[in-house]
Amino acid sequence: KAGVTQTPRYLIKTRGQQVTLSCSPISGHRSVSWYQQTPGQGLQFLFEYFSETQRNKGNFPGRFSGRQFSNSRSEMNVSTLELGDSALYLCASMGTSHGTDTQYFGPGTRLTVL
Amino acid sequence: GENVEQHPSTLSVQEGDSAVIKCTYSDSASNYFPWYKQELGKRPQLIIDIRSNVGEKKDQRIAVTLNKTAKHFSLHITETQPEDSAVYFCAASTGAAGNKLTFGGGTRVLVKP
Repeated sequence: KAGVTQTPRYLIKTRGQQVTLSCSPISGHRSVSWYQQTPGQGLQFLFEYFSETQRNKGNFPGRFSGRQFSNSRSEMNVSTLELGDSALYLCASMGTSHGTDTQYFGPGTRLTVL
Repeated sequence: GENVEQHPSTLSVQEGDSAVIKCTYSDSASNYFPWYKQELGKRPQLIIDIRSNVGEKKDQRIAVTLNKTAKHFSLHITETQPEDSAVYFCAASTGAAGNKLTFGGGTRVLVKP
């Protein structure tokens, strides 16, 4: 099975712009979670989508939003970018392995806000 | 909400020695505890996980122990090798209506040859 893929891998934006990141989960997986990774704050949960519905949400401002399509692919959008949004954005695809719910991470999108 | 603390933040060991990383969690409803390894510039990779109905789990040189009463769990790596050098993250999840992982701050492990 192909792993979790994310596009683009790198992005450079300026303050005030908006950005859309894409995640394709492992085939058959219906849950996609998004995480922000920074040196200062570590790995923080943004939100989770399951069957096109947001099932969980972290403590991020409304500038961060997401959606999931019928084929389970997910996008996240950040509007009005701030310098502090520079981070590695990881998506994770959840499936069931040996009775446990395991999250498999994609390679991430490195966002730099100038 | 859930809070996960991880110690130490850095760990240097000699090749062949053991490494132990400890995490504590705050939400007694948490029932799933994975450990991820992240090498420089790469994605986090699951190395082992444990559920709250199990006290210990082992996979070759790595093992995880869970103490539900004390709300802490630990990762043990035996016979460390240079390729074990990476950042390790613990996480916790209640698994209720979804699978939101709350991560510890990470431990940078350096195995010296």
